[in-house]
Amino acid sequence: DGGITQSPKYLFRKEGQNVTLSCEQNLNHDAMYWYRQDPGQGLRLIYYSQIVNDFQKGDIAEGYSVSREKKESFPLTVTSAQKNPTAFYLCASSILNSGYTFGSGTRLTVV
Amino acid sequence: AQSVAQPEDQVNVAEGNPLTVKCTYSVSGNPYLFWYVQYPNRGLQFLLKYITGDNLVKGSYGFEAEFNKSQTSFHLKKPSALVSDSALYFCAVRDGNTGFQKLVFGTGTRLLVSP
Repeated sequence: DGGITQSPKYLFRKEGQNVTLSCEQNLNHDAMYWYRQDPGQGLRLIYYSQIVNDFQKGDIAEGYSVSREKKESFPLTVTSAQKNPTAFYLCASSILNSGYTFGSGTRLTVV
Repeated sequence: AQSVAQPEDQVNVAEGNPLTVKCTYSVSGNPYLFWYVQYPNRGLQFLLKYITGDNLVKGSYGFEAEFNKSQTSFHLKKPSALVSDSALYFCAVRDGNTGFQKLVFGTGTRLLVSP
């Protein structure tokens, strides 16, 4: 079945540590996105990518980095510069100018 | 730039009663409109979309939405609510003009259906 896989489902980060969240899709979608969701909040766009080897900052990119070396993969690194990383992270993909397909999310907690 | 407003943080309805979750939008071109649902600790699931055609759009799980161009609204409706419909609902819009266009999401409305 086609879809988006996010891993891990739960992730714990120590202070000052970088962590990478995985997002893989087999839908052959061109565009991919990362969103952050805080408790009781809506979605905030972190980064997005329209094509391989190209990506753009969203509304809250500070403290995060991404890469898009393959069409299927769009990993997100939460760096130590992100001072409040505890949140639910959602990855999505789309054919250009269609609706999004979302992964099941990664819950990141700072310990 | 496009925007979406979901004016209600929470909607409460009794099981068996009709429900409405409100959404208004603003775009410069033709609106492409979407509704998504999110259950706890899950990703967003697609419910329905309006691109063109009939103003009444039918989607998953018995939900439907009515596109009203003059009121720039796209309210989500269901004739008879179920307790299992309790979830967080997001409206989203993109400008239908050519070129890459990101979806813009509303802040979400929590639907609580009581037995």
